[in-house]
Amino acid sequence: GAVVSQHPSRVICKSGTSVKIECRSLDFQATTMFWYRQFPKQSLMLMATSNEGSKATYEQGVEKDKFLINHASLTLSTLTVTSAHPEDSSFYICEWGVNYGYTFGSGTRLTVV
Amino acid sequence: AQTVTQSQPEMSVQEAETVTLSCTYDTSESDYYLFWYKQPPSRQMILVIRQEAYKQQNATENRFSVNFQKAAKSFSLKISDSQLGDAAMYFCAYRALEYGNKLVFGAGTILRVKS
Repeated sequence: GAVVSQHPSRVICKSGTSVKIECRSLDFQATTMFWYRQFPKQSLMLMATSNEGSKATYEQGVEKDKFLINHASLTLSTLTVTSAHPEDSSFYICEWGVNYGYTFGSGTRLTVV
Repeated sequence: AQTVTQSQPEMSVQEAETVTLSCTYDTSESDYYLFWYKQPPSRQMILVIRQEAYKQQNATENRFSVNFQKAAKSFSLKISDSQLGDAAMYFCAYRALEYGNKLVFGAGTILRVKS
């Protein structure tokens, strides 16, 4: 079955620093992937849609200069939270797929102190 | 805009009993997919069941089944013979190619299983 690896699973960083989250598909290739964010006790909200070889499409209210997405290949995408602030503390999760067979990564819990 | 509504913030069920989680959605599309995801405390998203809108037959996966009412835009999840391991947050979600294939989630329902 499709396997998606997401790292790190947990990260604590200081306010003002940047954090990179990596999402990699291990046994399939896909052009499209999604990044979601989940605040405590809330649902998942789409942040951006990423297509290999092109710029990411961000949802309304998501700052593209703050959340940098690099879709480097058909198997690797990264999300960099730049100049992180405590309000960026959240659970970030990627989703890769082909057609309707999408798979989630295991998620990254970011805490900004 | 596509929206997904889960009106039950929390549900409880006795072990071995049956529980139904409700979900309604709004869309103008005719071709789409509906999903139920389970999110345990680990926060890993686990696909429970999937329903293609063009299929009239309700999807079933072991103890999990759905009641898909396309005209009413309703998509409920029935869990039979509930087990302690079923306790989790459950999300109903919608996906359509015409909507960029992204998932739209409901607010979620916390399911508690009593022994």
